[in-house]
Amino acid sequence: QVQLQESGPGLVKPSATLSLTCTVSGGSISTFFWSWIRQPPGKGLEWIGYIYDTDSTNYSPSLKSRVTISVDMSKNQFFLKLSSVTAADTAVYYCARGFCSGGSCYAGFVDQWGQGTLVSVSS
Amino acid sequence: EIVLTQSPATLSLSPGERATLSCRASQSVSNYLAWYQQKPGQAPRLLIYNASNRATGIPARFSGSGSGTDFTLTISSLEPEDFAVYYCQQRSNWLTFGGGTRVEIK
Repeated sequence: QVQLQESGPGLVKPSATLSLTCTVSGGSISTFFWSWIRQPPGKGLEWIGYIYDTDSTNYSPSLKSRVTISVDMSKNQFFLKLSSVTAADTAVYYCARGFCSGGSCYAGFVDQWGQGTLVSVSS
Repeated sequence: EIVLTQSPATLSLSPGERATLSCRASQSVSNYLAWYQQKPGQAPRLLIYNASNRATGIPARFSGSGSGTDFTLTISSLEPEDFAVYYCQQRSNWLTFGGGTRVEIK
């Protein structure tokens, strides 16, 4: 059973860059789509973006100018960088794996999630 | 951006009752729609993909239907563990979630 674990600072200053790591265990990161999704406290879910095939990425149109997702296959990790953060970026950040079934893999559905990590933006 | 509107916002039901949750898209998403369940302090769990297919290990009491702009998640007989928040999500044009429906114990 694959497991995902987010790690990174829980507090980031306004205008700084938020950086998170997702470590994947129990399976290879070389296949599947890998996503970052966030959820502000008490609110709904927002897809940030995903990566596949080492360096192919797709980002939320509203966050595209500030987001970078990358992967390190040798460490079975993928990463999120979100620049110029404000209080509106305060959220629980989840890493997740794209869903595969019957030989088809879907970037846009996820079936394995990390536990989530709360990142607060505050001075 | 495709907007997904879920209704009702809250559904108050008793165990054993049938739950019917609605998700309406601002434009057609074909059948590119999923449903997730989220319990407090937990990550969401994929229930249904491609509008009507149950994900691995999901009980048969969960079923999805619809296509185009109107979708429904039905829980045929609520179990105590089913009281949670449910989100629909589309992958037709980028990836967006609905605002959620809370299913609470009456």
